[in-house]
Amino acid sequence: SQKIEQNSEALNIQEGKTATLTCNYTNYSPAYLQWYRQDPGRGPVFLLLIRENEKEKRKERLKVTFDTTLKQSLFHITASQPADSATYLCALGGLSGTYKYIFGTGTRLKVLA
Amino acid sequence: GAVVSQHPSRVICKSGTSVKIECRSLDFQATTMFWYRQFPKQSLMLMATSNEGSKATYEQGVEKDKFLINHASLTLSTLTVTSAHPEDSSFYICSAQWRTGVNEQFFGPGTRLTVL
Repeated sequence: SQKIEQNSEALNIQEGKTATLTCNYTNYSPAYLQWYRQDPGRGPVFLLLIRENEKEKRKERLKVTFDTTLKQSLFHITASQPADSATYLCALGGLSGTYKYIFGTGTRLKVLA
Repeated sequence: GAVVSQHPSRVICKSGTSVKIECRSLDFQATTMFWYRQFPKQSLMLMATSNEGSKATYEQGVEKDKFLINHASLTLSTLTVTSAHPEDSSFYICSAQWRTGVNEQFFGPGTRLTVL
């Protein structure tokens, strides 16, 4: 069956450390993958997009990797801050030639001061 | 970045009534809009994809007669929940793309629907 899995448990890390979030998928072949941030009661906010032919993408303190062999994406936040506390969602796109997106369940990150 | 608004932000209605939710792209023209539903502590579930001027494409298991989608212009899509029941209570979120294809979605702030 098709699945997208993100760390179901909340991730607590100390301020200043690097947070690493995982997105694994099964029986999907996405052409690209996106990461979003969602705060409680709000809509998601786009962070980064990475295509299947890219191994790594960076934006300021954010870094995303995409391994189509392992069917996994890693999302890193370096020098984390309490303001980074939120739920982070991965989304698979370009499935079967469509433009729709399938979202993971999200990982709740809490950065402790 | 591009701004998408939703109205209303919260709505409480009685069972059996219909509720309309508006999604507007404020500073860009959206060729494609998506409607999602999100239950507490769960992910966004895609309900339908809507392209301006054409009928929406519904995901499997989503009743098109219950969730009516109209995308009449490049800046407005509406979702009408017809004959709402308590099990329809959820957080409804729309998103918009300025160009169909590989690019980010801009999400609205969501609408919290509570059906009594």
